Amino acid sequence: EAGVAQSPRYKIIEKRQSVAFWCNPISGHATLYWYQQILGQGPKLLIQFQNNGVVDDSQLPKDRFSAERLKGVDSTLKIQPAKLEDSAVYLCASSLGIAPPDTQYFGPGTRLTVL
Amino acid sequence: SQQGEEDPQALSIQEGENATMNCSYKTSINNLQWYRQNSGRGLVHLILIRSNEREKHSGRLRVTLDTSKKSSSLLITASRAADTASYFCATDRRGSQGNLIFGKGTKLSVKP
Repeated sequence: EAGVAQSPRYKIIEKRQSVAFWCNPISGHATLYWYQQILGQGPKLLIQFQNNGVVDDSQLPKDRFSAERLKGVDSTLKIQPAKLEDSAVYLCASSLGIAPPDTQYFGPGTRLTVL
Repeated sequence: SQQGEEDPQALSIQEGENATMNCSYKTSINNLQWYRQNSGRGLVHLILIRSNEREKHSGRLRVTLDTSKKSSSLLITASRAADTASYFCATDRRGSQGNLIFGKGTKLSVKP
């Protein structure tokens, strides 16, 4: 079974530039999550999708971050414009989306460096 | 906001020894999960314990949960160099949509 795919694996940009990350979840997984993991900390949930609807985006900085999951499969996370404090690893995870407990499967992450 | 706090922040042991990591959390939970993260990689799910369970085993892993103290522990027995990684507890809060809140993690180093 193929895992969660993410691209790119690494990205270096200058502040105020834009950047986008892509995630392809495990086939058949209805729920998709984006997390931000700052160095030395645990992952922090940014947004959770159930199929193509948003379940929780309470911690997404909506003035600069946006995410979509068209057709309920792939998802993109965008930052526009980026700030220095956005330097982090962005992790995508997916789960079946059935009744809890629901195990999340994580992709390898995209490491973003903002200069 | 972080729900869980792992203790210790870092742990260094010799191969063959046991490693114990602790996690404390703040609110009522549906379940608590432990994940492992190797350097530069994504997280791997290790074990899940429900709020009505007190202890669970999986291979060399043993997890305990004390809901009265809002704490959990992860024991890795007979550690191996390959166990070197960061370990995170994550809580599925009661009333949430199943999303997880992670602690800051314990960095485990197992020396051969």
